[in-house]
Formats: sequence, C-alpha cells, structure tokens
Amino acid sequence: DGGITQSPKYLFRKEGQNVTLSCEQNLNHDAMYWYRQDPGQGLRLIYYSQIVNDFQKGDIAEGYSVSREKKESFPLTVTSAQKNPTAFYLCASMKGGVNQPQHFGDGTRLSIL
Amino acid sequence: GESVGLHLPTLSVQEGDNSIINCAYSNSASDYFIWYKQESGKGPQFIIDIRSNMDKRQGQRVTVLLNKTVKHLSLQIAATQPGDSAVYFCAERSNQGAQKLVFGQGTRLTINP
Repeated sequence: DGGITQSPKYLFRKEGQNVTLSCEQNLNHDAMYWYRQDPGQGLRLIYYSQIVNDFQKGDIAEGYSVSREKKESFPLTVTSAQKNPTAFYLCASMKGGVNQPQHFGDGTRLSIL
Repeated sequence: GESVGLHLPTLSVQEGDNSIINCAYSNSASDYFIWYKQESGKGPQFIIDIRSNMDKRQGQRVTVLLNKTVKHLSLQIAATQPGDSAVYFCAERSNQGAQKLVFGQGTRLTINP
C-alpha cells in the first residue's frame, strides 16, 4: 500500500547528541514537510521541500536540519542546538499542483534521557 | 499575522447525535481549507477539504461549510460514533507565497455512550 513511513516510533536523545528521524514516502509526491506537535497544540512547520535537492525553513527551523537527496526521503536531524526537543514529530507529503491536501505519517515521539 | 483558531477546545456529544466543530481564520488570502482527524499517538488523517469558490462540501457523514464573509469554517459530523472520538484540526492555505498550511489548535471530540 502507498503511504508515508516514519521511523522509529519512539526515540530517546541524550544531552549533546544529534538524532535523525526518518521519513519515507512511496506516493510519488513532490513536496514533503516536517512538523512539530507539542501536547495540546497544533502543528508547527519546521522545514519543507517542494522538490529534490531543495528545502526551505519553516516557522521553527532553529536547531533542526534536513536533506532531500531523493524524492521519497526527507530525513530530519534534531541537533544538540535544539534545547527543547521533546515533542511528537510528524512528516507529511503532498502531490504537486494547487489545492492538494498533505498526507501524514504516524509520527515519531522524541524524548530526552 | 495569519492565524487559524478554534472556538471550542473540547466538545462532548452523545453517540448518535450530530457534532459541529468550528474554526475561525483570519487570512483573507486563504483559498483552500482542510479538516484533519487525529487519534491518539497517530498522525492527522485527511477528512475533507474545500476550496474558497465553494461554501459547502459533503463527504460520507461529514459536511464542511465555509463562510468567507465572516472567515468561518465548520465541520459537521452526522450520527457520531465512538470511533469519531479524536482531535480535529482545521488548516488553511494561502494562495500567496509557498502555500504552506497553517493549523489551528485543535478540538477534542468525545463521544458519550
């Protein structure tokens, strides 16, 4: 079945450590997105990519980095510079064109050890 | 700046009743709106969308209404079932710039037996 796969489902980070969250899609979608969700809140955009080898900062990009070397993959690295990384991270993708919905994976929950 | 919000953070209804979830938006340049359903520990699931050239759209047991005059969006769920219990988000997309989605805070819908 086509979809968006995020891994791992749970991740723990030690102080000073970088961790990478995986997002893979087999929907042949052009655009991919990373969001952060804190308890009881909506989604905030971290980074997005509309085509391969190109990406833009979202509203809360500080402390995060991404790459888009392949159309189907958009990994997110949470660096040690992100001082409050505990959150639920959601990846989404969207078909090209206007007025298309974003489709989401089932998220990675990141916690601090 | 632009914002998307919800009038009620929680809503409790009896099983079998109809539910109405409301959303206010402030960006007059938004021309595409989406409702998502998020169950605990999962990513948001697309429910229904509507373009700004429409004022009503129906799906299976759901109806979205758009009132551009007062910048108001609502989601109606008919004959609610226990499986409808979730957090519901509205999202808007501007027709300008990078067409990013802006999400509301979310409304938690609880179905009472």
